[in-house]
Amino acid sequence: AQSVTQLDSQVPVFEEAPVELRCNYSSSVSVYLFWYVQYPNQGLQLLLKYLSGSTLVKGINGFEAEFNKSQTSFHLRKPSVHISDTAEYFCAVSRTATYDKVIFGPGTSLSVIP
Amino acid sequence: DTAVSQTPKYLVTQMGNDKSIKCEQNLGHDTMYWYKQDSKKFLKIMFSYNNKELIINETVPNRFSPKSPDKAHLNLHINSLELGDSAVYFCASSQAGDWQETQYFGPGTRLLVL
Repeated sequence: AQSVTQLDSQVPVFEEAPVELRCNYSSSVSVYLFWYVQYPNQGLQLLLKYLSGSTLVKGINGFEAEFNKSQTSFHLRKPSVHISDTAEYFCAVSRTATYDKVIFGPGTSLSVIP
Repeated sequence: DTAVSQTPKYLVTQMGNDKSIKCEQNLGHDTMYWYKQDSKKFLKIMFSYNNKELIINETVPNRFSPKSPDKAHLNLHINSLELGDSAVYFCASSQAGDWQETQYFGPGTRLLVL
């Protein structure tokens, strides 16, 4: 079975500073990887996803993530954060099979400090 | 236009009551889901329906019963509510049951059982 670890439960960062949110997964088979963002009192919204091909994936709002198969990681990065990026970020993984459920990580709370 | 809508947004009720949460999507998607997010923000899938048929049924108490009257609706009925049912419940939809498809989440229903 696959699992997802997000090592940092909370990440405070100053506005305009870079940020990296870490995600590691475990799976014995090929996976799809996702990052979702949840703004306060809202549902989740897809930031980006890795299905295949280029290991560097660009998403919305200036975020990008890099798939590293050898390290089983899919860290999320943004070179310069804004106040509006304050939210909960979830890494998720699913096996490359139809109807195989997505497993979400515990989430990382990003707080951008003005 | 709201893509995935849920009603009610907030639900406060007494232990032992029966309640329903409604979900509708106007995206023309084939697959709908119910997720539960606990107080620690942990998100876990409960059910998945594809074209009105149950696809995923996680280890959820049988007090929870999903109903899909048509492809655009997936309602969640909960019998004999317990304190531990307090959580945020998210409905989501995707084009197909293949997990590479982006899931679109509703705004959530915040359930508090007293």
